[in-house]
Amino acid sequence: EAGVAQSPRYKIIEKRQSVAFWCNPISGHATLYWYQQILGQGPKLLIQFQNNGVVDDSQLPKDRFSAERLKGVDSTLKIQPAKLEDSAVYLCASSLDRWGTHTEAFFGQGTRLTVV
Amino acid sequence: SQQGEEDPQALSIQEGENATMNCSYKTSINNLQWYRQNSGRGLVHLILIRSNEREKHSGRLRVTLDTSKKSSSLLITASRAADTASYFCATISSMDSNYQLIWGAGTKLIIKP
Repeated sequence: EAGVAQSPRYKIIEKRQSVAFWCNPISGHATLYWYQQILGQGPKLLIQFQNNGVVDDSQLPKDRFSAERLKGVDSTLKIQPAKLEDSAVYLCASSLDRWGTHTEAFFGQGTRLTVV
Repeated sequence: SQQGEEDPQALSIQEGENATMNCSYKTSINNLQWYRQNSGRGLVHLILIRSNEREKHSGRLRVTLDTSKKSSSLLITASRAADTASYFCATISSMDSNYQLIWGAGTKLIIKP
């Protein structure tokens, strides 16, 4: 079974530039998550999709971050414009269960973003 | 917001010894999950324990759950160098209709050869 695919693995951009991350979840997984993980901390949920609908985006800085999951499969997360404090690893995860209640989440390798 | 809080923040033991990490949480849960994150790798699911379960085993891993104390522990027996990683607990609150996974800050485990 193929895992969660993310690209790119690494990205360095200057502040005020824009950047986009891509995620392809495990086939058939209804739930997709985007997390931000700052060094030394646990993951922080940015947005959760159920199929192609947004379940929770309460912690997404909507003035600069946007995400979509067209057709309920792959997803993109965009930052525009980037700030220094956006430097982090961005993790995509998916889970099979519609409401993620009884099944684990599978994570991609993440994208390490450095904003200079 | 963070639901889980791992203890200790860091743990260093000799290879072959047992490692115990604890997780406390704030609200009633649907289930609690433990994940491992190696340097340079993504998060890997280790074990899931439901709110009506008290103990679960998987290989060298043993997880206990005490819902009355809102706490869980992860025991790794006969530790190996490859167990060096950060370990996170994550919970799904039974009061959250979105069933979000809420994460702690993790325990950094170092196994000395």
